Amino acid sequence: TQLLEQSPQFLSIQEGENLTVYCNSSSVFSSLQWYRQEPGEGPVLLVTVVTGGEVKKLKRLTFQFGDARKDSSLHITAAQPGDTGLYLCAGQDLGGSNYKLTFGKGTLLTVNP
Amino acid sequence: EAQVTQNPRYLITVTGKKLTVTCSQNMNHEYMSWYRQDPGLGLRQIYYSMNVEVTDKGDVPEGYKVSRKEKRNFPLILESPSPNQTSLYFCASSLGPYNEQFFGPGTRLTVL
Repeated sequence: TQLLEQSPQFLSIQEGENLTVYCNSSSVFSSLQWYRQEPGEGPVLLVTVVTGGEVKKLKRLTFQFGDARKDSSLHITAAQPGDTGLYLCAGQDLGGSNYKLTFGKGTLLTVNP
Repeated sequence: EAQVTQNPRYLITVTGKKLTVTCSQNMNHEYMSWYRQDPGLGLRQIYYSMNVEVTDKGDVPEGYKVSRKEKRNFPLILESPSPNQTSLYFCASSLGPYNEQFFGPGTRLTVL
């Protein structure tokens, strides 16, 4: 099973700042999903990117899938305290044989007021 | 409301005392799975089920059992819990293994 490496592992910023988190792998993924997990809750899907080079926007969040479909990024503009949470990427490894998604370990984001 | 429910939400038990964590979904999803989440290790899949009576091991199945007698339910069984099974457990369901995963609220288990 190939790994999805997320960076940074931890990020603490002030309200209003911009940030980017990354999800990288040596494998090609047919699609990448981004989830946000708030304290005490299960992860919730934010977006799925499918096509290499695809860019999707969700209000202040911009998601990009790399041209080679091996990496993805999440950019947040003017972060707010409500953006605080654990951001997870997950994908179907085309080289894998198990019927499951591969999850990254996540980026823990704290946005301070 | 479409949801995945888990019970109990919190459980403190002792080594060796059998326990079951229940999971139920109301979305008619065929695929269900169990994950454990540990600091520094992320989400790791324990078992999954492609449909009724079809289950298979995930990445960390040792010490766990599952069953899928009905489409909506997928209980996780710990026959003889040990302290290294102290963790946060999530049940999830989806249309298929690579579709959006709908997660339950989590069960925090402590084994003393």
